[in-house]
Amino acid sequence: TQLLEQSPQFLSIQEGENLTVYCNSSSVFSSLQWYRQEPGEGPVLLVTVVTGGEVKKLKRLTFQFGDARKDSSLHITAAQPGDTGLYLCAGSDLLGSARQLTFGSGTQLTVLP
Amino acid sequence: EAGVAQSPRYKIIEKRQSVAFWCNPISGHATLYWYQQILGQGPKLLIQFQNNGVVDDSQLPKDRFSAERLKGVDSTLKIQPAKLEDSAVYLCASSSSSTPVGQYFGPGTRLTVT
Repeated sequence: TQLLEQSPQFLSIQEGENLTVYCNSSSVFSSLQWYRQEPGEGPVLLVTVVTGGEVKKLKRLTFQFGDARKDSSLHITAAQPGDTGLYLCAGSDLLGSARQLTFGSGTQLTVLP
Repeated sequence: EAGVAQSPRYKIIEKRQSVAFWCNPISGHATLYWYQQILGQGPKLLIQFQNNGVVDDSQLPKDRFSAERLKGVDSTLKIQPAKLEDSAVYLCASSSSSTPVGQYFGPGTRLTVT
């Protein structure tokens, strides 16, 4: 069974601060995705990283995929209250002809104004 | 483009009762997933369909849970009989065959078993 561990589990910061969330596994994934989930809603895809060492930027969010494709990080610069939510990483692999995701336990981020 | 639709949004039942959830995926998406998300945890895959066939149901508690996608479009997940530990949000997601693949989630059904 492939497992993804996220840290920290909870994070509460002030508006304007920077933060990094980590996602680690002992397994290699063909790609890794980051989702953000708000209360009462389903997760929304933020980014997919495919290549080991890949870095993707989405405005104030920077995503990195580890060289060995076993870990990833999400860095947020100058966090805003609107960034509050549950951040989930998910490793993707092929099961037959269909892709399957294994989710981490999530990081609950609260950005205080 | 319409998103993934789920109903009901909320359901409260007593233990040992039955409940059913419905999902209509994004039009044209061949793959449909049902996840269980317990409070404070990430989603756990229950069952994955490719068109109307089951790809993976290894984590589905088959003694009480069942799911079908008869015409390869919408799907129903049923729990019979429900237990207290089934209280969770049940998420439906769909995806297409293009890569890299992201899954599109519905808003979920929050089930409370009392």
